[in-house]
Amino acid sequence: SAVISQKPSRDICQRGTSLTIQCQVDSQVTMMFWYRQQPGQSLTLIATANQGSEATYESGFVIDKFPISRPNLTFSTLTVSNMSPEDSSIYLCSVPTGGVNGELFFGEGSRLTVL
Amino acid sequence: GDSVTQMEGPVTLSEEAFLTINCTYTATGYPSLFWYVQYPGEGLQLLLKATKADDKGSNKGFEATYRKETTSFHLEKGSVQVSDSAVYFCALKTGFQKLVFGTGTRLLVSP
Repeated sequence: SAVISQKPSRDICQRGTSLTIQCQVDSQVTMMFWYRQQPGQSLTLIATANQGSEATYESGFVIDKFPISRPNLTFSTLTVSNMSPEDSSIYLCSVPTGGVNGELFFGEGSRLTVL
Repeated sequence: GDSVTQMEGPVTLSEEAFLTINCTYTATGYPSLFWYVQYPGEGLQLLLKATKADDKGSNKGFEATYRKETTSFHLEKGSVQVSDSAVYFCALKTGFQKLVFGTGTRLLVSP
């Protein structure tokens, strides 16, 4: 298993500002994933963050809007840039465990509300 | 691409009723299948999983069987409790480690 801590747990932000979400894992992991859960919706993968390389973004997500850092094997940040109300979501960090058939563990998420 | 389809909610049941939440998938290869649960105000937790055809995952009285012939992974529980009220997500994972989620099904259990 893995223990994942995210900060902030929630925030209210003004339109046009940027916010950085931190994700700390209690063990070293090669891959970390960032997901978005819009209100009442399912989870959508934003990007995969591997230590030592550029993040890989899914269709519909771009680095300029969601820059990601991965400075070491236990930490990552996701920045939501130039926010608009449409960015109001829960952002979740997750890590795989248990090999190719293992599950993903999730942080408790960061709930952002953009006014 | 890979996808997961879940029955739409909310599913409203009385306590001790039988629960089925349908889930079907489309995937290349042989995915692992998962059910995650999100209780009100909490994060996402793994409920159960199955990694190959005919495997049955089970936890907390919930069960789901990996049916390759029907590409399904329906979630069942024989007797639900009020505390089972939550949103349930079916998901699949291929060799790339990424999870693909269904839209989620909200379960409401009344006393």
